[in-house]
Amino acid sequence: NAGVTQTPKFQVLKTGQSMTLQCAQDMNHEYMSWYRQDPGMGLRLIHYSVGAGITDQGEVPNGYNVSRSTTEDFPLRLLSAAPSQTSVYFCASSCPRDGPYEQYFGPGTRLTVT
Amino acid sequence: GDSVTQMEGPVTLSEEAFLTINCTYTATGYPSLFWYVQYPGEGLQLLLKATKADDKGSNKGFEATYRKETTSFHLEKGSVQVSDSAVYFCALSEEAYGQNFVFGPGTRLSVLP
Repeated sequence: NAGVTQTPKFQVLKTGQSMTLQCAQDMNHEYMSWYRQDPGMGLRLIHYSVGAGITDQGEVPNGYNVSRSTTEDFPLRLLSAAPSQTSVYFCASSCPRDGPYEQYFGPGTRLTVT
Repeated sequence: GDSVTQMEGPVTLSEEAFLTINCTYTATGYPSLFWYVQYPGEGLQLLLKATKADDKGSNKGFEATYRKETTSFHLEKGSVQVSDSAVYFCALSEEAYGQNFVFGPGTRLSVLP
């Protein structure tokens, strides 16, 4: 099992550019989430999905879109990048049958917006 | 809403010292509690967990006990090693399947040889 994989590992964008952060998991987990990690603030939930075709907003969803067309993939789209979106982004997955609630994290994508 | 508070870091210890990282929480219901660890350049890994009052989670020499009366879940280790240097996150989850985790800000631990 590769677990949770994320690409790219690093990315630099200019303000206003768009891009997609990729996330995939091979554990057949139903639940997937995107977090951003900022210094002194821990991880904050951006969007999450409880299954293919179902997504919902987390704590800080503005400026981001997600979709979940398959169980394995959960891409995060930045529509028009802003310097405030400079952060480290983590994707996570979990399976309710494994309970209670352990999340498996990818290695992260470090994004810089100039 | 729910929240998690952790002691401010960074924490610097000598090898074989005793470690305590304090964590307290506020929650409307009866959450499950977790400690995650993040080694340099990596994602978070689950270190230990507890799902009900007085449960003790343990792993790799680390321990934490779910104290409902004090709403705390302090992380302890009797003798730290250089390899324990990392950032430690306390977290809680109240959702049925843990979808809405709330993380603390993290505490950076540096262990010197």
